[in-house]
Amino acid sequence: KNQVEQSPQSLIILEGKNCTLQCNYTVSPFSNLRWYKQDTGRGPVSLTIMTFSENTKSNGRYTATLDADTKQSSLHITASQLSDSASYICVVRWTGRRALTFGSGTRLQVQP
Amino acid sequence: SQTIHQWPATLVQPVGSPLSLECTVEGTSNPNLYWYRQAAGRGLQLLFYSVGIGQISSEVPQNLSASRPQDRQFILSSKKLLLSDSGFYLCAWSLVKGLTDTQYFGPGTRLTVL
Repeated sequence: KNQVEQSPQSLIILEGKNCTLQCNYTVSPFSNLRWYKQDTGRGPVSLTIMTFSENTKSNGRYTATLDADTKQSSLHITASQLSDSASYICVVRWTGRRALTFGSGTRLQVQP
Repeated sequence: SQTIHQWPATLVQPVGSPLSLECTVEGTSNPNLYWYRQAAGRGLQLLFYSVGIGQISSEVPQNLSASRPQDRQFILSSKKLLLSDSGFYLCAWSLVKGLTDTQYFGPGTRLTVL
């Protein structure tokens, strides 16, 4: 069964610090891997999307990396802000399938 | 620009009562539409998707159903709610563009079944 696992489950950091969130997937190849940000009680918003052949993708202070050999992706947040407090979800679309597989997310809390 | 609406925002229903959640998309034509459920502390689970009017595919067996009576309208229904139907329901749309189509999510409906 395809799986997407994220770590850590939750993370608390101080404002201005950097952090890295991890996503491991068990099956490849895939069509694309995305990172979403979900504020509490809101729908997810896309941050980055990478195809199987891409290694890195940036969106402002967010940088996603992909290592197809180890089946890992990471989301690095630089100079964190209070507004970065949210859940960050890794999502994989497997080749030939319409459905997406969502990780359970990492809950990030940025404190002043 | 495209926008996606869901209502109601929150809903509290007794077990055994019917359900109707509505999702509409503006600013695009012939989108793919999706219904997801997010249980507390869990990832999103795809319930239904639709590629066109009247075309519904179900991903998991359950007591829910979906309908697409118009191009940009997607409805999630149940005849009799179960306690396990409680959760956060999200509607999403996408336009298929090669390998990198992005799904855009609505604000969600928080359903509590008592």
